[in-house]
Amino acid sequence: QKEVEQDPGPLSVPEGAIVSLNCTYSNSAFQYFMWYRQYSRKGPELLMYTYSSGNKEDGRFTAQVDKSSKYISLFIRDSQPSDSATYLCATYNTDKLIFGTGTRLQVFP
Amino acid sequence: GAVVSQHPSRVICKSGTSVKIECRSLDFQATTMFWYRQFPKQSLMLMATSNEGSKATYEQGVEKDKFLINHASLTLSTLTVTSAHPEDSSFYICSARSARSSYNEQFFGPGTRLTVL
Repeated sequence: QKEVEQDPGPLSVPEGAIVSLNCTYSNSAFQYFMWYRQYSRKGPELLMYTYSSGNKEDGRFTAQVDKSSKYISLFIRDSQPSDSATYLCATYNTDKLIFGTGTRLQVFP
Repeated sequence: GAVVSQHPSRVICKSGTSVKIECRSLDFQATTMFWYRQFPKQSLMLMATSNEGSKATYEQGVEKDKFLINHASLTLSTLTVTSAHPEDSSFYICSARSARSSYNEQFFGPGTRLTVL
């Protein structure tokens, strides 16, 4: 079983839609959870991180962690074409970053 | 702040040659740098972890004699792909971690696309 699993998509939505991106993880000891955005042929950039369970909101983005089900989510409200990118969830296993496979999102006008 | 650069951004080389990729932390000191490889439509896979002034720690399955890592200063790490072959063609991304980061946050470079002919 992979440590972090993520549906690769692609996910195609119209502008203005609410997007839900999800990952599951295997180890209940994981504490930090990150979402990265990666544009084509670029390095990933950190969008949000959460510690343990709960929600965190930043503008149009909301990150959610449910430790009871080992499920992490990223919601994007009022999606824009500029949000089109690959979104990777990640967590730390000791000091190593473990990434999901990434979900490719396409927001069309 | 927390900018990481990589050079070159793209490189094309012939099979059998060696290629060096530089990773620099521009505005902070990086006690630890990481090297990742990303194949098309796949996730980032950690290749090795390097601490300034010491030997790199390689992940299982990564040949240390093929991927030479040097972390000579707190702002520079290099990855040399020796005797490159077409199967080494990939997107190589480095990241750097500051000792002052509260939760070991890594800052990523823009990546280097290597194409071996």
